[in-house]
Amino acid sequence: GAVVSQHPSWVICKSGTSVKIECRSLDFQATTMFWYRQFPKQSLMLMATSNEGSKATYEQGVEKDKFLINHASLTLSTLTVTSAHPEDSSFYICSAGAGGLANYEQYFGPGTRLTVT
Amino acid sequence: AQSVTQLGSHVSVSEGALVLLRCNYSSSVPPYLFWYVQYPNQGLQLLLKYTTGATLVKGINGFEAEFKKSETSFHLTKPSAHMSDAAEYFCAVSGGGATNKLIFGTGTLLAVQP
Repeated sequence: GAVVSQHPSWVICKSGTSVKIECRSLDFQATTMFWYRQFPKQSLMLMATSNEGSKATYEQGVEKDKFLINHASLTLSTLTVTSAHPEDSSFYICSAGAGGLANYEQYFGPGTRLTVT
Repeated sequence: AQSVTQLGSHVSVSEGALVLLRCNYSSSVPPYLFWYVQYPNQGLQLLLKYTTGATLVKGINGFEAEFKKSETSFHLTKPSAHMSDAAEYFCAVSGGGATNKLIFGTGTLLAVQP
């Protein structure tokens, strides 16, 4: 089946530094990838939709200059948290969309736990 | 616009008992409906989905869900709970297609008592 990986699985960084998270579709090509944020014991909140070769579409309230998304190829999207602060600590999950209209599915990565100290 | 409501943030059942997790949706277009399971510190795994066709959908691990348009519901059931079913369950709705985003419910934490 379709597999999506994320790297790193967890990261600790100091306040003010930037952190890059990678999302890869390992055995399929994904023209669209999605980035979600999940706070403890809460649901997934969509941050942005990433389309290969074009600018990401951010959800309302998400700072595009803080959460930089790049989708340079059909198998790789990256999320960079710039000038991270403790309130950015969260579980970040990516997904990749595949299939046509009838068999559409999003395949989720295992998530990246970010802790900002 | 689309939205999902999951009734019951916590559900507890005994091992071997029926599992029923409720999901109601709102959608201005024909909905594509999904149930995902999440184990601690992991990503989401698809249990089952409804796109078109048969309204009773069978998924992995013995779960099934029925799309009821008249009730705008997509409840998840399993006849007999196992200890390994303890996890967080999310219902989601989409308008369909690879570029359509998923809208998630708030999740239901299922506990299975021995």
